[in-house]
Formats: sequence, structure tokens, C-alpha cells
Amino acid sequence: DIQMTQSPSSLSASVGDRVTITCRASQSISRFLNWYQYKPGTAPKLLIYSASTLQNGVPPRFSGSGSGTEFTLTISSVQPDDFGTYYCQQSYSSPMYTFGRGTKLEI
Amino acid sequence: QVQLQQSGPGLVKPSHTVSLTCAISGDRVSRNGAAWNWIRQSPSRGLEWLGRTYFRSKWYTDYAVSVQGRITINPDTSKNQFSLQLNSVTPEDTAVYYCARDPLGADGHYYFDFWGQGTLVTVS
Repeated sequence: DIQMTQSPSSLSASVGDRVTITCRASQSISRFLNWYQYKPGTAPKLLIYSASTLQNGVPPRFSGSGSGTEFTLTISSVQPDDFGTYYCQQSYSSPMYTFGRGTKLEI
Repeated sequence: QVQLQQSGPGLVKPSHTVSLTCAISGDRVSRNGAAWNWIRQSPSRGLEWLGRTYFRSKWYTDYAVSVQGRITINPDTSKNQFSLQLNSVTPEDTAVYYCARDPLGADGHYYFDFWGQGTLVTVS
């Protein structure tokens, strides 16, 4: 299995801060990397797919970059609604998808 | 807008079977160009992909190695839904179970764009 490692596991930010979350793959996955936001009691929400493509309806303050084994999710100016846990997911080894363990963002 | 509505019991005894259903609106389970997945989330295992079904002139299923032999995912075209059965469950199978759509992008990039509301299944 391809292992996905996220860092940090948690972070605290203030409104307006720039936040970066990193996801590393145990082998090269090209750009087959997706990001989700999870809030308790709701289903995960797709934010970014193919490493950098913003899903319809997702605010442009979210952006993704990277290829190969290292990827980042950036929130350019954190808003109160951005609290939650962020997960990366690789689809390179489709359909044996794997997820990172998550980064909890507290505002 | 695609919506996925899950149903099924939340409490299952050890050694018994988890049975969940995901009803689809706004799309068709038999449409070429989408895959229908089950994913679960638990504190110990995080998010774990379990399996999928999809139609490409015929039906296909894929299962995670971790549950292979215990899992069955079936489409039901008459009700436009798909189901999950997980047999011989133990407390380790306690998790929130989600159904999710993968639109199977033409460029080969796969992701889950619509999810069900989640069902907490407790094995006890």
C-alpha cells in the first residue's frame, strides 16, 4: 500500500493567517492527490483534486500544489468556517486508495 | 445535484453482518462514467476505502485487501442504489460508514465528489 503522511497532525491559526498542510507519499504518485475537509457530524467535502484543481464551489483561498511525493494544501487567509480536519488521499494506485491520518485545524 | 442517502442499522452483534444501503438521486448507479464506493472512518484506522462497484458494459467490483472475503457490494438498478454487506464483524469494524461517488474523470484522476451522510455502525 502507498502510505500517506500528513504534517502537522494539528495546528492552531488565527483568522487571516496563511496555513500550509503537507502530505507526503511513500512513493511517487505523480499528481494523483486529493484533499478533503471534514467536520464532525458531516461527510468529508472534496476541496481539491489532481493536486491543484479546485472543486466547484470551493473558495479560492484554498489551493493545492505538488507532484511526485510531496504535496501542500494552502489556505491563504483562514476564515472561521475553515475549522475541521483536512485529509489527503492518493488515487495513483486506483482503486486501492489510501488516506492520510489528517491535520486538525483549530481557529 | 447528486445526493446519496444511507440507511441501515447502527448496532450489530459480533460475528454478524453489517448491511447498509445507499440510495442515489441525481445520477444513475448504472451510468458509464461513475463508480460507487464504500468508505469507513474510525479513530484507530482513520479513513479506509472498502470497495466499489461500477458499470462498463457489465458490472465490476473491487475490494480492499483488508476486507476481501468478508465484503460484498451490490448494485440495485431497479431502486437506483447500491449496498454494502460486511460479514463476520468484530468490534474492530466499529466505524462511521460512508457511501461516495467517484465520477471517474476521463483523465484518470479519481476522487470522491459526493458522499452520503454517514452511518455509525457499532459492533457490540
